[in-house]
Amino acid sequence: DQQVKQNSPSLSVQEGRISILNCDYTNSMFDYFLWYKKYPAEGPTFLISISSIKDKNEDGRFTVFLNKSAKHLSLHIVPSQPGDSAVYFCAANDYGGSQGNLIFGKGTKLSVKP
Amino acid sequence: GAGVSQSPSNKVTEKGKDVELRCDPISGHTALYWYRQSLGQGLEFLIYFQGNSAPDKSGLPSDRFSAERTGGSVSTLTIQRTQQEDSAVYLCASSLQDFGYTFGSGTRLTVV
Repeated sequence: DQQVKQNSPSLSVQEGRISILNCDYTNSMFDYFLWYKKYPAEGPTFLISISSIKDKNEDGRFTVFLNKSAKHLSLHIVPSQPGDSAVYFCAANDYGGSQGNLIFGKGTKLSVKP
Repeated sequence: GAGVSQSPSNKVTEKGKDVELRCDPISGHTALYWYRQSLGQGLEFLIYFQGNSAPDKSGLPSDRFSAERTGGSVSTLTIQRTQQEDSAVYLCASSLQDFGYTFGSGTRLTVV
């Protein structure tokens, strides 16, 4: 049973517009959430994170929003650039809990068209 | 080292053969993780080493899979009697105490 779900396998956006990537989770014990970005033939790289005590975290063009009651988070990229084209993975865990590893979603492939 | 190093980058093996995949984590990182990504799938957790604690092997898909971490540094993931469904990209990551993983570039394993 998937604890972290990214229901959109792909997303296409025009350069300069907003990209919104969504992620849902089922485990209410999760309290730490991260987004990773992966280019082909490379390992995932950390992008941005948020802890459950916040509902928003911003870093430049990237903002992550957390809605704990809905068990939903989203990553906003504004403005989108062609170099943002990659697969984006959502990940979660209960920090300090019994499980020591991150749980990843299946990823969303973002294509930003020039 | 500067990053997480994995070798080989690509491996083609015949069904039934054993393979060893190597991971060199960032020096000083106490935690080391193995994940794999099969075609069209997300990152599937395999095994996790933290310091001198017993590894968390809960993600290993079968007893054909094993891993060790020698001296708290280099790790080797071994797959015995490989099957075609083992074909995937095997990713290693290391971190200090939090979830700031640094991933290697992965080993693409193809079982023919």
